Amino acid sequence: EIVLTQSPGTLSLSPGERATLSCRASEGVSGNYVAWYQQKPGQAPRLLIYGASSRAPGIPDRFSGSGSGTDFTFTISRLEPEDSAVYYCHQYVSTVWTFGQGTKVQIK
Amino acid sequence: EVQLVESGGGSVRPGESLRLSCAASGFAFRTYWMTWVRQAPGKGLEFVANMDQDGSQRYYVDSVRGRFTISRDNAKDLLFLQMNSLTAEDTAVYYCARGSPITGVSWGQGNLVTVSS
Repeated sequence: EIVLTQSPGTLSLSPGERATLSCRASEGVSGNYVAWYQQKPGQAPRLLIYGASSRAPGIPDRFSGSGSGTDFTFTISRLEPEDSAVYYCHQYVSTVWTFGQGTKVQIK
Repeated sequence: EVQLVESGGGSVRPGESLRLSCAASGFAFRTYWMTWVRQAPGKGLEFVANMDQDGSQRYYVDSVRGRFTISRDNAKDLLFLQMNSLTAEDTAVYYCARGSPITGVSWGQGNLVTVSS
C-alpha cells in the first residue's frame, strides 16, 4: 500500500499570501496519478488537480500542482478567504487507493 | 457530464445490515473500475472497496473484508455496497467514485450511514 504523508498539518496564512502543501509517497506513484481535493465542512471532496498537475474544469489558475515520483506539491498562489478548507492528496494509480491525512488551511 | 448519485444510507443498530446504491450516468459505466470511499465524522478519507469492470477483481480494506460486499449491475449502471454486521466504527459518509487517467476522479455527493444503539 502506498502511504501518503502530507505536511504541514495546519497552515495559517493571510489573504493574498502563497500556500504550499506537500505530499510525500512511500513509493513512486507511476504515471503521476495524484489528485488534490478541497473539502469544506459538510461537503464532498472537490477535485482541484489530477495527474499531479492538471487543473480540473472550472478551477481557478491560482491553484496548481507539481511533482513526480514520490514528492508532490500543491500551491495556492494568492489565498482568498473562501480557500479556508482541508486539502487532501490522493493516489489513484494502485488498485487500493490511498489518501493523505489532510492539511488544514486557515485564513487569518 | 459524469454523475454519481448514492442512496440507501440511514441509521441502523449495531449488527444490522444496509445496502448502498450508486447510480451512474454520463459515461460508459461498464468500462470503468468503481470504488467506495468513506469518511468518518471529523476524520479523513478512507478507501473501502473497489471492483473491476466485470467483477472478477474486488478489493477491500481489512476492516470490512468479510462483512461488506461490492457488486455492480452493468445493465442498469448501478454500483452497490452490501454492508453486514455493522458496528459504530462504520459510521461515516460513504462516497462512490470513478477514477480515470484522462479526467481524474469523479465523486458522488455522499450518503450518511449511522450505526448506533
